[in-house]
Amino acid sequence: QITLKESGPTLVKPTQTLTLTCTFSGFSLSTSGVGVGWIRQPPGKALEWLALIYWNDDKRYSPSLKSRLTITKDTSKNQVVLTMTNMDPVDTATYYCAHTIVAYDAFDIWGQGTMVTVSS
Amino acid sequence: SYELTQPPSVSVSPGQTARITCSGDALPKQYAYWYQQKPGQAPVLVIYKDSERPSGIPERFSGSSSGTTVTLTISGVQAEDEADYYCQSADSSGANWVFGGGTKLTVL
Repeated sequence: QITLKESGPTLVKPTQTLTLTCTFSGFSLSTSGVGVGWIRQPPGKALEWLALIYWNDDKRYSPSLKSRLTITKDTSKNQVVLTMTNMDPVDTATYYCAHTIVAYDAFDIWGQGTMVTVSS
Repeated sequence: SYELTQPPSVSVSPGQTARITCSGDALPKQYAYWYQQKPGQAPVLVIYKDSERPSGIPERFSGSSSGTTVTLTISGVQAEDEADYYCQSADSSGANWVFGGGTKLTVL
C-alpha cells in the first residue's frame, strides 16, 4: 500500500525559504520508472504543478517557478524534499506530494496535503 | 507558458450525462489525465492516458480525445460525483506538466 505524507512549517514569513518534506512508504524511489511530484493549491483556487523527481534523479520544474524551486530525494530515508525560496503571501496554499510512475505519467497516489501560510 | 482551458462549471441532474472539456494546443501530442477533488480532500485520479480508468474507478467515468480537446464523460451522474474536476497534461516538450483551471460539477 502506497502512502505519502507532507511535513513542514505551517507559517513562514515573506522572503523566507520554505522547506517541505514528503515521507513515503510502499514504494522505492530507486525503482525504475518511479517518481514523486509536488503540487500546490491556493485556497479556493486550482491545482498548480511545481516539480517532479524521478528514480534516475531526472528533475523537472514548473517554468514559472523554476528559479525558486529545488527538489531532491533521499532514497535511504524514503523522502523527497522541496525548497522554495523568497516566499510571498501569494504562495499561501496547500502543498501536496504525489506518486507517479512512467506507465501512468500522472499522479496516481496523493498525500493529504499540508497548508502553508505566508504572513509576517 | 502552456495552458489548459476548462469551463468553470457544469451542472447536470442525477442520472444525466455530464461532459467536461479541456482544451490545449499540445493535446494532440500529449496524453490527458483527469482528477476528481471533493472539498477538503486530495485529488483522485479518475482517467489516465486520455481514456484509461484506474482500478476502483466506476465505469461511468470515461475519457476521450479529439484534436486539441479532451473530454471527461460521467454517465448516469450520481450525487456523490459532485466535485471539482481537473485535467492535467504536459507541454509539447513533455517535460513540463500543467493542470487546467478546474471545473465545478454540480448535481442539481
